[in-house]
Amino acid sequence: SQKIEQNSEALNIQEGKTATLTCNYTNYSPAYLQWYRQDPGRGPVFLLLIRENEKEKRKERLKVTFDTTLKQSLFHITASQPADSATYLCALLDTGRRALTFGSGTRLQVQP
Amino acid sequence: EAQVTQNPRYLITVTGKKLTVTCSQNMNHEYMSWYRQDPGLGLRQIYYSMNVEVTDKGDVPEGYKVSRKEKRNFPLILESPSPNQTSLYFCASSLSSGLSYGYTFGSGTRLTVV
Repeated sequence: SQKIEQNSEALNIQEGKTATLTCNYTNYSPAYLQWYRQDPGRGPVFLLLIRENEKEKRKERLKVTFDTTLKQSLFHITASQPADSATYLCALLDTGRRALTFGSGTRLQVQP
Repeated sequence: EAQVTQNPRYLITVTGKKLTVTCSQNMNHEYMSWYRQDPGLGLRQIYYSMNVEVTDKGDVPEGYKVSRKEKRNFPLILESPSPNQTSLYFCASSLSSGLSYGYTFGSGTRLTVV
């Protein structure tokens, strides 16, 4: 069955460091992968989309990599700030249902 | 401001009393979808719509209905709510049904069924 795995344990890092979050998937052949940020009780907010033919994508302090051989995406936040503390979700397109399927998310806590 | 608007934000209701959660978007998006989010289960899709009058089931459609009579609106209907439908609900929209654009999510509706 199709599965998206994100580290369920919270990631705690010090302000100014780089946070790296992992998304692994099985039984998907995604054309692209998306990353979202979610704050408690709020709707997810779209951050980045990376296509299968793109190895890396950047937006300000964010960087996403996509390795279709390893079936893995890495999400990096450089020079992290306490305001970056949130849950980060990866999502893949299920082409059969034209729907995004989300991982359960990884909670990031940036300590001042 | 481009947004997805859900109403109400909070709702407490009793078992069996029909309710509707409204969702409206002002971005002329083709694609709209409903998700529920439960602790430990993440976001699960209930229904989606690729355009007006085109809807289809997601992963957890039982106990829910939807309609898409206009492009901007996608209401979620619970004909006979039960306590297992207590959850946080999100409506989302996207520019195209190809989903090569990100979703815009609403602020959520926290539903409690007693």
